[in-house]
Amino acid sequence: GQQVMQIPQYQHVQEGEDFTTYCNSSTTLSNIQWYKQRPGGHPVFLIQLVKSGEVKKQKRLTFQFGEAKKNSSLHITATQTTDVGTYFCAGGGADGLTFGKGTHLIIQP
Amino acid sequence: DVKVTQSSRYLVKRTGEKVFLECVQDMDHENMFWYRQDPGLGLRLIYFSYDVKMKEKGDIPEGYSVSREKKERFSLILESASTNQTSMYLCATHRPGKDTFGSGTRLTVV
Repeated sequence: GQQVMQIPQYQHVQEGEDFTTYCNSSTTLSNIQWYKQRPGGHPVFLIQLVKSGEVKKQKRLTFQFGEAKKNSSLHITATQTTDVGTYFCAGGGADGLTFGKGTHLIIQP
Repeated sequence: DVKVTQSSRYLVKRTGEKVFLECVQDMDHENMFWYRQDPGLGLRLIYFSYDVKMKEKGDIPEGYSVSREKKERFSLILESASTNQTSMYLCATHRPGKDTFGSGTRLTVV
């Protein structure tokens, strides 16, 4: 079945540094979604990318979908302590999502 | 915004007990899902449902069953709880472009 690999598993940054997490799928994805989970919380939807090569921005967050629709990235510029959490990518849709294992972002003030 | 409510935030059950985890959504979405989340393994799909009385196995259905008698309610059943089912259980609904998760139920089986 479909597998979604996500790296790195953990990322420590100083507040103000940039952060990037990467996802790779074993199969072509129809779309990819990104979620953020705060410590003790549940996954919260951030965005969906559908088109090949798509780039979307939400304030300091930039999401990219690869040309082959098999990889994606999330980049955060100038991290803040509120960015702490685990970021998941997920492929799929009406039949359920296949999640990457997530990247834990740890920010040192 | 869609609200997905899971009846219990924390639950402790004994090995061999029958356990019901309830999930209710308020937006008439047809597709509902149960995932479990474990450290190092991420979120994995247990079962999902397209509509009332419809169910499909996900990636790890063993040891679980589900019930969907009404559109808004999707129940996960552990017929005979075992310690390896200690986990965080998350319910979700789907509309095109977005899935919405409940707050989760942390189940401990002792």
